[in-house]
Amino acid sequence: NAGVTQTPKFQVLKTGQSMTLQCAQDMNHNSMYWYRQDPGMGLRLIYYSASEGTTDKGEVPNGYNVSRLNKREFSLRLESAAPSQTSVYFCASSTGLEVRGYTFGSGTRLTVV
Amino acid sequence: DQQVKQNSPSLSVQEGRISILNCDYTNSMFDYFLWYKKYPAEGPTFLISISSIKDKNEDGRFTVFLNKSAKHLSLHIVPSQPGDSAVYFCAASARAGTALIFGKGTTLSVSS
Repeated sequence: NAGVTQTPKFQVLKTGQSMTLQCAQDMNHNSMYWYRQDPGMGLRLIYYSASEGTTDKGEVPNGYNVSRLNKREFSLRLESAAPSQTSVYFCASSTGLEVRGYTFGSGTRLTVV
Repeated sequence: DQQVKQNSPSLSVQEGRISILNCDYTNSMFDYFLWYKKYPAEGPTFLISISSIKDKNEDGRFTVFLNKSAKHLSLHIVPSQPGDSAVYFCAASARAGTALIFGKGTTLSVSS
């Protein structure tokens, strides 16, 4: 039972480089989310997808794009990485129908130099 | 403007005593409140939740209290154990399954 799988676990980028963070869930969940965690800032929502085929901006969407590739996969793309995007990124999924909240992946630690 | 506030960045408690973690919110549309626990290098894990129609929910050593008039909720852990040492996040949503808004977290340290 893998749950939510994020790849890669660690990444170092140079300013201006691009990359895609991958997320896949095997729980047949409808909704998927991307959060970033920064020291003293908690978890902030970047983008979410309430269902396959839909995406919406969260609290901090600038500098990011997302793709809900299918029901299982939700990717986060940084087109031109900036040092301010150094963070730990968490993907999560939920059925969208109940109050037990999300199942989170183990995170991707990204450093932009 | 923060909609979910955890004003205590850290809390230290002795093993066996009660831990009380607090959370305030500003959005009166919030209907569901959840607590998550996070260990270093791991993703957050769901701990306990409460809906606005209740004022208390218990699950073993964990109890969440909700005071809607004060827009305040708290998580009680009794008795506290060293394994409870982690970051605790309070979260809220306007309806089931919608995007959760998280607080900044409180780091709990339980000493033996």
